[in-house]
Amino acid sequence: QSVLTQPPSVSGAPGQRVAISCTGSSSNIGAGYDVHWYQHLPGTAPRLLIYGNNIRPSGVPDRFSGSQSGTSASLAITGLQAEDEGYYYCQSYDISPRGRVVFGGGTMVTVL
Amino acid sequence: QVALKESAPSRVKPTQTLTLTCTFSGFSLTTTGEGVGWIRQLPGKALDWLALIYWDDDKRFNPSLENRLTITKDTSKNQVVLSMTNVGHVDTGTYYCAHKLRFGEWVFDSWGQGILVTVSS
Repeated sequence: QSVLTQPPSVSGAPGQRVAISCTGSSSNIGAGYDVHWYQHLPGTAPRLLIYGNNIRPSGVPDRFSGSQSGTSASLAITGLQAEDEGYYYCQSYDISPRGRVVFGGGTMVTVL
Repeated sequence: QVALKESAPSRVKPTQTLTLTCTFSGFSLTTTGEGVGWIRQLPGKALDWLALIYWDDDKRFNPSLENRLTITKDTSKNQVVLSMTNVGHVDTGTYYCAHKLRFGEWVFDSWGQGILVTVSS
């Protein structure tokens, strides 16, 4: 059971928009800790997509965007492409009972 | 450009100590703000943070595994070593080292390819 809750899967046709939610609590996202998103494609290293809730590192297409509100965050992918198929993880920091990095359970994005 | 690569025995026996080495380039762990972390992924499971070491030798551990973990750095070799004692079959999985974004919150901006470790007798 992950501290951050993500839907197991989302899907969309090429060109469509999909969104992945990440639900936390008052000891992580709700406590003001930022949410970060990683893309993990088969056979590759995880890649940082979004940090600080909504900041894209250099090289990440603007098709990827992040938002955060209250105890939740969301990653949106617009103009879905076949190469986007893979797992996506949210990550934050949790202070209960002791400080630690926490990840969501991961969401599999399927391009139909 | 930051790059990291993990190395470890591909197979470890139950109750033994697993030693993982992260060799990195593109930054120095003598520079203020730098840090390297370890994250693992057990089969069919999500990513799970294990430990992190900072440039000043400050060390942080996942509380659930803290009593089994040791993390050290060798700045002359640009390496970080994570040791996990008393491994069991449940520790079989892929282990990643990652560079922590310098300054700011806990976020990992570059990852190694990962190394699969099997715990088996």
